[in-house]
Amino acid sequence: DAKTTQPTSMDCAEGRAANLPCNHSTISGNEYVYWYRQIHSQGPQYIIHGLKNNETNEMASLIITEDRKSSTLILPHATLRDTAVYYCIVSVISGTYKYIFGTGTRLKVLA
Amino acid sequence: NAGVTQTPKFQVLKTGQSMTLQCAQDMNHEYMSWYRQDPGMGLRLIHYSVGAGITDQGEVPNGYNVSRSTTEDFPLRLLSAAPSQTSVYFCASSGTSHRNEQFFGPGTRLTVL
Repeated sequence: DAKTTQPTSMDCAEGRAANLPCNHSTISGNEYVYWYRQIHSQGPQYIIHGLKNNETNEMASLIITEDRKSSTLILPHATLRDTAVYYCIVSVISGTYKYIFGTGTRLKVLA
Repeated sequence: NAGVTQTPKFQVLKTGQSMTLQCAQDMNHEYMSWYRQDPGMGLRLIHYSVGAGITDQGEVPNGYNVSRSTTEDFPLRLLSAAPSQTSVYFCASSGTSHRNEQFFGPGTRLTVL
């Protein structure tokens, strides 16, 4: 099963871009990279996912390196409401589908 | 659409008691899963199901049982609660393809005394 490694915590100034890195060096060719975030004690919320091309939606951008061993989630203009724990997840396929969460990055957006 | 619902929101048990955490989804999703989250930790997969009648173990299955008799419901049973099972429990669902996002319920906060 592919594992992910993320920094424990990061700070970002409000209005600036937040760049959250993730390493997934053992990812397989057909596995996707997902990003979720968890605000306080709520259930995690989906942000974005991708296979090998860069992706963008209304919430964020996802940059995946060409070798697919790492990725970066970009929140282009961070607000105080983006303060949360961000999880990078690689979809695991072992005959069926399993999602393994890592420890995540605690992002604090500073006023 | 109610999405993913979980009951109860809060529960206090004594050691050795049994209970069932309920999870239901109205999105006709095939895939459902249960996670636990201990204070300051990430989510850990307990059990998951890829359809009615099919379940499998995740990272931390010991002490928990599941069944999936319908597409909509995926209850989690604690047969003999232990203090180590004090945690927040999240249920999630998604479509069959692994490209689909997971939708999470609001969680059940369980305390075992």
